[in-house]
Amino acid sequence: GQQLNQSPQSMFIQEGEDVSMNCTSSSIFNTWLWYKQDPGEGPVLLIALYKAGELTSNGRLTAQFGITRKDSFLNISASIPSDVGIYFCAGQYGANSKLTFGKGITLSVRP
Amino acid sequence: DAGVIQSPRHEVTEMGQEVTLRCKPISGHDYLFWYRQTMMRGLELLIYFNNNVPIDDSGMPEDRFSAKMPNASFSTLKIQPSEPRDSAVYFCASRNYLGLAGDEQFFGPGTRLTVL
Repeated sequence: GQQLNQSPQSMFIQEGEDVSMNCTSSSIFNTWLWYKQDPGEGPVLLIALYKAGELTSNGRLTAQFGITRKDSFLNISASIPSDVGIYFCAGQYGANSKLTFGKGITLSVRP
Repeated sequence: DAGVIQSPRHEVTEMGQEVTLRCKPISGHDYLFWYRQTMMRGLELLIYFNNNVPIDDSGMPEDRFSAKMPNASFSTLKIQPSEPRDSAVYFCASRNYLGLAGDEQFFGPGTRLTVL
């Protein structure tokens, strides 16, 4: 089945630094999504991407839909302590089909 | 809106017991999803419903798992009998499909299940 690869499993950065996360797939997707999960909560949608090559921003977050439709990246600029959490990528093939999630990257931000 | 509501938030049970997890989706949403999250396997889709009808249950691990959605505002996920390997966080999510690309699923806070 479809699989999404996110690595590394954990990232440690200093407050104020930028961080970039990548997500790759063995098959194409028509929609890419990035979610964040805070401890003890469910994932929350950060950014949705609908077209190959699309670059979308949401505050300090920027995400891009890869040209090949097999990858996406998320960039967080000027990190702050509340950016701590697990970041998941998710892919969707058809507008009404189910999501496939990556295993997530746990981000730690040192003050 | 209160968001997706799940109960209980925590459940500890013994192997062999029946476990029932409950979910109330966001009012007006016509899709409901059940996920399981573990360290080893990440977030896995178990089953999803559209207008109360199960659409895809291929992620349900085995016959011990069953899910129902008797009406638009309530769903249950049942495990009978439970086993220690079922220990995980179970999430319910809902969405309103508007015919657009993309998928904003709203997740509940999850039920942390521990089977001893």
